[in-house]
Amino acid sequence: AQSVTQLGSHVSVSEGALVLLRCNYSSSVPPYLFWYVQYPNQGLQLLLKYTSAATLVKGINGFEAEFKKSETSFHLTKPSAHMSDAAEYFCAVKLVNAGNMLTFGGGTRLMVKP
Amino acid sequence: DTGVSQNPRHKITKRGQNVTFRCDPISEHNRLYWYRQTLGQGPEFLTYFQNEAQLEKSRLLSDRFSAERPKGSFSTLEIQRTEQGDSAMYLCATGLAGATGELFFGEGSRLTVL
Repeated sequence: AQSVTQLGSHVSVSEGALVLLRCNYSSSVPPYLFWYVQYPNQGLQLLLKYTSAATLVKGINGFEAEFKKSETSFHLTKPSAHMSDAAEYFCAVKLVNAGNMLTFGGGTRLMVKP
Repeated sequence: DTGVSQNPRHKITKRGQNVTFRCDPISEHNRLYWYRQTLGQGPEFLTYFQNEAQLEKSRLLSDRFSAERPKGSFSTLEIQRTEQGDSAMYLCATGLAGATGELFFGEGSRLTVL
């Protein structure tokens, strides 16, 4: 069974600092991997996705993530945090040929201090 | 705005009442998913449709829950005899079969059972 673990349910950074949100997955076969962002009282918005092409994936709003098969990780980073980045971030995994069903991690709430 | 519309956005009901949520998907998307999200958790898969066929149901979907997509377009999720434990955000997402798994989420319907 596939699963997703996000280390750290809350992460706090200062504005302008590096953002690092961690995601590890367990899967016996290479999966597709996604990061979604959720602002208060809103649905989930896709930030970026890995689909077996380049291992370094660039997304919207300056975010990027690197797929590391040896570490079964897909950590999300942004060089410089902005106040508008404060939100909940979810990592998700989909196995190839799994009906497009996504399995989500528990989420990480990012807080940005001025 | 992802193009996926859900209503009502908020529903407060008394325990034991029935509630129904509706999802209007992006028109060309043939797959439609329902997820449930409780406070501080990631979305959990409930069920999905390809066109009008319900292809998979999670064991989270008790017999009090029923979902339909009668014409392969909009979908409804009904909860009968609601319980306080049903209080959650119900998210609808749509996508294309055979694609890389990206899902487009609506803003959700928040249910509060008193």
